[in-house]
Amino acid sequence: EPEVTQTPSHQVTQMGQEVILRCVPISNHLYFYWYRQILGQKVEFLVSFYNNEISEKSEIFDDQFSVERPDGSNFTLKIRSTKLEDSAMYFCASAQAGRTQYFGPGTRLLVL
Amino acid sequence: GQQLNQSPQSMFIQEGEDVSMNCTSSSIFNTWLWYKQDPGEGPVLLIALYKAGELTSNGRLTAQFGITRKDSFLNISASIPSDVGIYFCAGQLPGANSKLTFGKGITLSVRP
Repeated sequence: EPEVTQTPSHQVTQMGQEVILRCVPISNHLYFYWYRQILGQKVEFLVSFYNNEISEKSEIFDDQFSVERPDGSNFTLKIRSTKLEDSAMYFCASAQAGRTQYFGPGTRLLVL
Repeated sequence: GQQLNQSPQSMFIQEGEDVSMNCTSSSIFNTWLWYKQDPGEGPVLLIALYKAGELTSNGRLTAQFGITRKDSFLNISASIPSDVGIYFCAGQLPGANSKLTFGKGITLSVRP
């Protein structure tokens, strides 16, 4: 069964550094999402992406965040200058039109 | 913004027992979903509900979309040890492929 994959599974970075989190959505899906989950808390929406542009973003998704679909398979989340409070699990999800979102296994980001 | 309420935070049951979890909201959602999350992994879709009043089963799991469109419940029958995990409800507003809003989750423990 096709699934969403994410790399790396874990990333440790220093405050102020840039990180890029990578996702490979399910191949016939057209809608892509990033969510995050701070340890022990609920999953929170960051951004949705369709047709090579952002469809919706939350207040968390400020100027430090950006998303890109650099080729036909990858979907990336970049954090330009990481802060301590960016430490979280970051989940990528994808969906077909009008269908349910399927989540990847996540990248655990730790900012020191 | 929209909030989904799940309580209690934790539930402890004996193997073989049935358990029911509720999710309520002050907002109307078009779609209700139930996800399960194991430690260090991404949410896995259990059941998706698309119509008010809909009752859907997936093996030992049964979920219903409340007729007011502001609530949903998930039942697990004859629990087994691998049912342990965090159960999240999520709502989706009208609009094609809109974001998911998650509840805070219920941690289920099953005593053998």
